[in-house]
Amino acid sequence: NAGVTQTPKFQVLKTGQSMTLQCAQDMNHNSMYWYRQDPGMGLRLIYYSASEGTTDKGEVPNGYNVSRLNKREFSLRLESAAPSQTSVYFCASSGSRPNEQFFGPGTRLTVL
Amino acid sequence: KQEVTQIPAALSVPEGENLVLNCSFTDSAIYNLQWFRQDPGKGLTSLLLIQSSQREQTSGRLNASLDKSSGRSTLYIAASQPGDSATYLCAVMFDKLVFGAGTILRVKS
Repeated sequence: NAGVTQTPKFQVLKTGQSMTLQCAQDMNHNSMYWYRQDPGMGLRLIYYSASEGTTDKGEVPNGYNVSRLNKREFSLRLESAAPSQTSVYFCASSGSRPNEQFFGPGTRLTVL
Repeated sequence: KQEVTQIPAALSVPEGENLVLNCSFTDSAIYNLQWFRQDPGKGLTSLLLIQSSQREQTSGRLNASLDKSSGRSTLYIAASQPGDSATYLCAVMFDKLVFGAGTILRVKS
């Protein structure tokens, strides 16, 4: 079992560019999440998907969109990247809310 | 507002010491509380999960307690080792998972 995987590991964008962060889990979990981690602010929830076909906003959704492609995959899209979106992005999954969450290795994104 | 606070922000101890990390939260209506470990530049590793109906959980040298009424949890690490050096994060599941800012632990050999 790979657990939760994320691609890419690192990315540098210019302001205004778009990109999609990919996440997949092989634990047959229903729920998936996207967080961002910034120094001194802990992790904050961007979006989550309680089950296939549903998505909901978290604490900091502005500037992001998500797609729950199937039960395994949950992607995060930045349509027009801004320097304020420079952060480390983590994907997580759980069997069902509010159970234990398992995290991927993260994507380190820099927006210039 | 649902908030999670961790004290201290950083801790440095000699190898072999027993230590306690503290986590406090503002709302007693929680589903569970999870302790994570994060190594520099890495993802989060789940250490212990305490359901709201439980008082403590143990795994090896780690013991986590939960007191919902006072809004507190502690993570006790016995006989600390240099390999325990990492950032420890407390996360509380309210209607969503809310993280503390973490405690940076350094165990000196």
